Amino acid sequence: EVQLVESGGGLVQPGRSLKLSCAASGFTFSNYGMAWVRQTPTKGLEWVASISTGGGNTYYRDSVKGRFTISRDNAKNTQYLQMDSLRSEDTATYYCARHGGYGGYLDYWGQGVMVTVSS
Amino acid sequence: DIVMTQSPTSMSISVGDRVTMNCKASQNVGSNVDWYQQKTGQSPKLLIYKASNRYTGVPDRFTGSGSGTDFTFTISNMQAEDLAVYYCMQSNSYPPWTFGGGTKLELK
Repeated sequence: EVQLVESGGGLVQPGRSLKLSCAASGFTFSNYGMAWVRQTPTKGLEWVASISTGGGNTYYRDSVKGRFTISRDNAKNTQYLQMDSLRSEDTATYYCARHGGYGGYLDYWGQGVMVTVSS
Repeated sequence: DIVMTQSPTSMSISVGDRVTMNCKASQNVGSNVDWYQQKTGQSPKLLIYKASNRYTGVPDRFTGSGSGTDFTFTISNMQAEDLAVYYCMQSNSYPPWTFGGGTKLELK
């Protein structure tokens, strides 16, 4: 059974950092691209970042470029999202998701982790 | 960025109804539109990929169609367990992958 389990969320002050982790199991992690998607009541679902199977290609939405870094450790079946210079508008539930097809759909999602950026 | 516009934003429905919702892309996305279901308190779940392909284990009452800029998602025989918010997402031109605003199904 495919499982994606996020951790690392919490309350953080503006300008500080937080690192999310996503532990994957039930599939060959190194064969799939991975993504982070966030959700807020006002903005809905927003894709944040994606990473290719080997980690050599990464993609970011404009609003997080230069502040967030997506990475993965295929030996540990884990992907990460390092979030620096956090802003109040980064407050959201963050989901880890698997790209099921090449560059395409997201076929499995984690349960989500809450990130609150507030002083 | 490609903007995905869903309509309607909400629908009041009854069990057994045929439910149809739409998703319009701001530019041609071919057949690269996926549909997700999100029930309250849960993460999104993939139902349809590449416009019309039902994902593994998805009941056949869920169907998708369309290409180019106009896409349709249909539930042929609404069940109570189908109450949720449904989202479309384009995966043709990225980054960014972009989602529609969602269509919420509520009971009459």
